[in-house]
Amino acid sequence: NAGVTQTPKFQVLKTGQSMTLQCAQDMNHEYMSWYRQDPGMGLRLIHYSVGAGITDQGEVPNGYNVSRSTTEDFPLRLLSAAPSQTSVYFCASSYEDYTEAFFGQGTRLTVV
Amino acid sequence: AQKITQTQPGMFVQEKEAVTLDCTYDTSDPSYGLFWYKQPSSGEMIFLIYQGSYDQQNATEGRYSLNFQKARKSANLVISASQLGDSAMYFCAMRLLNNNDMRFGAGTRLTVKP
Repeated sequence: NAGVTQTPKFQVLKTGQSMTLQCAQDMNHEYMSWYRQDPGMGLRLIHYSVGAGITDQGEVPNGYNVSRSTTEDFPLRLLSAAPSQTSVYFCASSYEDYTEAFFGQGTRLTVV
Repeated sequence: AQKITQTQPGMFVQEKEAVTLDCTYDTSDPSYGLFWYKQPSSGEMIFLIYQGSYDQQNATEGRYSLNFQKARKSANLVISASQLGDSAMYFCAMRLLNNNDMRFGAGTRLTVKP
């Protein structure tokens, strides 16, 4: 019973490097989202998707790209890492808009 | 876009007492859902309770209840009989129906004293 799986759990990047945070869910959920969590600011929505092939921007999309080619996977790409992107990243999925979101364990990203 | 406000950065409660965590929201859309999540120090996000904007009764889940006052746009979480394990960050969130744009408040850190 995997739920939402995020990889990696920890990552250190140098400024300017690119990388992809992986997110996979095995619950056949249509809705998936990416959040970042910074101290004192709660969770802020980066990008979200309501199904394969459909994505949209959230509050803080700059510097990030997403795609949704399958129902199961929703990768988040950092195009050119900056120290301001140091954060904890959470992926979430939900069955419907009126049901709770299930969260992955988070990825702690440090950009130096 | 919808906005969620949690005005209490930190709260203290004595073990076995009840505590209310405040949440107000702002949207012009009549169709939405409100959620509360708990985040312990280990970092995972744990769903607690849900309230739909058209629900007639306040939601309850065990020791958790949601005091939903639609006209005041508030959705306060009430935890009864607090336990030491309730010490955590608590987040209020809102999602418009037919939409996956779910926004969170800044959170309230609850500390339960023995």
